[in-house]
Amino acid sequence: NAGVTQTPKFRILKIGQSMTLQCAQDMNHNYMYWYRQDPGMGLKLIYYSVGAGITDKGEVPNGYNVSRSTTEDFPLRLELAAPSQTSVYFCASSTSAGGSEQFFGPGTRLTVL
Amino acid sequence: GQNIDQPTEMTATEGAIVQINCTYQTSGFNGLFWYQQHAGEAPTFLSYNVLDGLEEKGRFSSFLSRSKGYSYLLLKELQMKDSASYLCAVRAPNDYKLSFGAGTTVTVRA
Repeated sequence: NAGVTQTPKFRILKIGQSMTLQCAQDMNHNYMYWYRQDPGMGLKLIYYSVGAGITDKGEVPNGYNVSRSTTEDFPLRLELAAPSQTSVYFCASSTSAGGSEQFFGPGTRLTVL
Repeated sequence: GQNIDQPTEMTATEGAIVQINCTYQTSGFNGLFWYQQHAGEAPTFLSYNVLDGLEEKGRFSSFLSRSKGYSYLLLKELQMKDSASYLCAVRAPNDYKLSFGAGTTVTVRA
């Protein structure tokens, strides 16, 4: 049971490039989330999904896109990378139960130069 | 909207007790979570409160007062490994998304 996995761990992008951050979970969780965390800041929700085929915007969705074709996978797409997207990105998952905790992946550290 | 406040930093001595406060002003409330995050790592779950009162889990306890919009995380018998950031997060009613505070960095000194 690997939990939540993310790839890559580190990435440097040039301004205007695109990339996909991968996230997968093997806990059969319906709910999945993408957060970004800037230095000294809390986690900001980018996008979330309540199940395969269903996604919605969080607090800071601009410049990102997601898809959820399976229960296990929830990739985050960055189009036209900008320096403001330099951050650490965390993927998380949870069950739908009321008090359920979110399980986090190890994160992807992205730098846009 | 959600407004969640925590102190930025706290320092304590090994073996001591530290209390991390969290106040929230939200458009609704359906539970409060505390997460621990070591530098360069992912957050990990510590506690969940949805009713008023104290929840104890070993050296860690969490308290909630819904009427005051207030919670605290109490860390007892501090160890060096407790040096980390502690994140307070609130869930709104009929929702599964969490709103996070900026986190409190706790430094434990020998």
